[in-house]
Amino acid sequence: QSVLTQPPSVSGAPGQRVTISCTGSSSNIGAGYDVHWYQQLPGTAPKLLIYGNSNRPSGVPDRFSGSKSGTSASLAITGLQAEDEADYYCQSYDSSLRAVVFGGGTKLTVL
Amino acid sequence: EVQLVESGGGLVQPGRSLRLSCTASGFTFGDYAMSWVRQAPGKGLEWVGFIRSKAYGGTTEYAASVKGRFTISRDDSKSIAYLQMNSLKTEDTAVYYCTRVHSSSWYFDYWGQGTLVTVSS
Repeated sequence: QSVLTQPPSVSGAPGQRVTISCTGSSSNIGAGYDVHWYQQLPGTAPKLLIYGNSNRPSGVPDRFSGSKSGTSASLAITGLQAEDEADYYCQSYDSSLRAVVFGGGTKLTVL
Repeated sequence: EVQLVESGGGLVQPGRSLRLSCTASGFTFGDYAMSWVRQAPGKGLEWVGFIRSKAYGGTTEYAASVKGRFTISRDDSKSIAYLQMNSLKTEDTAVYYCTRVHSSSWYFDYWGQGTLVTVSS
């Protein structure tokens, strides 16, 4: 059971928009700690996708965006492409656990 | 170009020890905190621990699941971070990733390719 809760899977057709939620609590996201997102393509290491809730590292397409509100955060992907098929993880810090925490991951399927 | 290369993984029996290394290049290693993240086969990501830069005391923090068994250290002169794993359990079987930490907000901006540790008799 992960400290941050993500849906196990989401899907969408090419060109569509999908969102992935990340729900935490008052000791992590709700306490003001930033949320970060990672993309893990099949058979590869994770890659930073969004940092500081809504910032994209250089090279990440603007089709990817992040937001945070209260005890939750979301990753949105617009103009879905086949190459976006991957696992996506959210991450934050938990003050009660004094630990970095990840969501359980969401598998995105492009139909 | 930032590069992180892990080494030292392999098959080890339960109760034994193993040391992983992470060789960094392309940035001033001593200026950054470094972390280890693992991923059990078919499972999600799990933070293992991190070590702060010397400027912040070089102190360490660990996940509860490994505290007291795993130790992270660093050699800034060689740009290497280490993960010493003792009293290994079968549930420690995973791919171990070395990551660079952006400590302003505790996220992992660069990842190595990972090294597989299999704990089995």
